[in-house]
Amino acid sequence: EVQLVESGGGLMQPGGSLRLSCAASGFTFSTYTMNWVRQAPGKGLEWVSYISSDSSGIQYADSVKGRFTIFRDNAKNALYLQMNSLRAEDTAVYYCEGDSGGYDYWGQGTLVTVSS
Amino acid sequence: DIQMTQSPSSLSAYVGDRVTITCRASQGISTHLAWFQQKPGKVPKRLIYGASILQSGVPSRFSGSGSGTDFTLTISSLQPEDFATYYCLQHSNFPWKFGQGTKVEIK
Repeated sequence: EVQLVESGGGLMQPGGSLRLSCAASGFTFSTYTMNWVRQAPGKGLEWVSYISSDSSGIQYADSVKGRFTIFRDNAKNALYLQMNSLRAEDTAVYYCEGDSGGYDYWGQGTLVTVSS
Repeated sequence: DIQMTQSPSSLSAYVGDRVTITCRASQGISTHLAWFQQKPGKVPKRLIYGASILQSGVPSRFSGSGSGTDFTLTISSLQPEDFATYYCLQHSNFPWKFGQGTKVEIK
């Protein structure tokens, strides 16, 4: 069974840091490009970051560039998002998503709340 | 950056109706477009990729068309379980962008 399980969300103060993790199982993680997508409460989907299967390609949305870092460990079947300098507008459910041509998998999401 | 304009923002239709949702890209994106369905409280689900390729397991009443700047998602005969919000996503150029979403309600 394919699974993507996010963890690491929680309540953080503005300016704080948080690391999200996404544990993959049931598919060949190392062949999939991965993304983080977020959804603020009651709002639409926002693409956040991309990483290629071998980590040679990395991209960010303008809204997080310079503050967030995506990385992966194919040996551990894991994807990460290091989030620094958090802002109130980063409050959202964060989903990890894996894509390999005709296959597309999503995790259940982890809620990040940034508030004082 | 490429902007995606999705319309309408919401619609209400009867079961059995044909429903059409459109996305327009601010510049050409070939067929690098996907459509997602998100039901309330649930995880997004990809319906279409490559603008017109139906994701495995998705009912054939869903179809996608278009290339370049104009794209369409069609539900040929709306079913009660199709109540959801639909999003397009351009993945031609970074930063990738989702459309604003279309909320489909059943009359």
